[in-house]
Amino acid sequence: QQQVRQSPQSLTVWEGETAILNCSYENSAFDYFPWYQQFPGEGPALLISILSVSDKKEDGRFTIFFNKREKKLSLHIADSQPGDSATYFCAAGGSWQLIFGSGTQLTVMP
Amino acid sequence: GGIITQTPKFLIGQEGQKLTLKCQQNFNHDTMYWYRQDSGKGLRLIYYSITENDLQKGDLSEGYDASREKKSSFSLTVTSAQKNEMAVFLCASSIPGQGGAEQFFGPGTRLTVL
Repeated sequence: QQQVRQSPQSLTVWEGETAILNCSYENSAFDYFPWYQQFPGEGPALLISILSVSDKKEDGRFTIFFNKREKKLSLHIADSQPGDSATYFCAAGGSWQLIFGSGTQLTVMP
Repeated sequence: GGIITQTPKFLIGQEGQKLTLKCQQNFNHDTMYWYRQDSGKGLRLIYYSITENDLQKGDLSEGYDASREKKSSFSLTVTSAQKNEMAVFLCASSIPGQGGAEQFFGPGTRLTVL
């Protein structure tokens, strides 16, 4: 069974701290790893993504660290803001399909 | 830019009823998807369509039918609604390609079965 696992299930940080969200996967054939952000009542929206040929991808305050050997990746949100409070989904796949993790609910306290 | 429209936004059905959810996209994307999202769980793939007139089953296809009427629209039918079922159904579209393709999501249809 192809699986993508996320931890923690929920995370609370203070404004200005770095939030770290973790993800692991099982299928070594996966080569594309997007992170989606979802606010209540809305569909998920792509936040940042990485290909398996890279070990790091940065976009503003958001950074993905990728370890292909261990099949693990993490999303770091620097200088967290209350507006970052949302559910974050890690996904893994290729050209046609994505397998989604169960999400991490992030709360940023002011 | 483009947009994905899902109708209806809220759907209330009765046990055993056949229910149809609709999705329209104006991205001109070839590939469209239907996912189910349960509270506290990730998105699970029900059906996808690589191009017009194509249908592929996902892991959760049992109990559902799908129809890709034209490039811009993709419908999902719950063949027999289950009592007390509550879930959000999300439609997405993408341009497939090497190295992964971004999927764009609609706002969802929230289903409640009485």
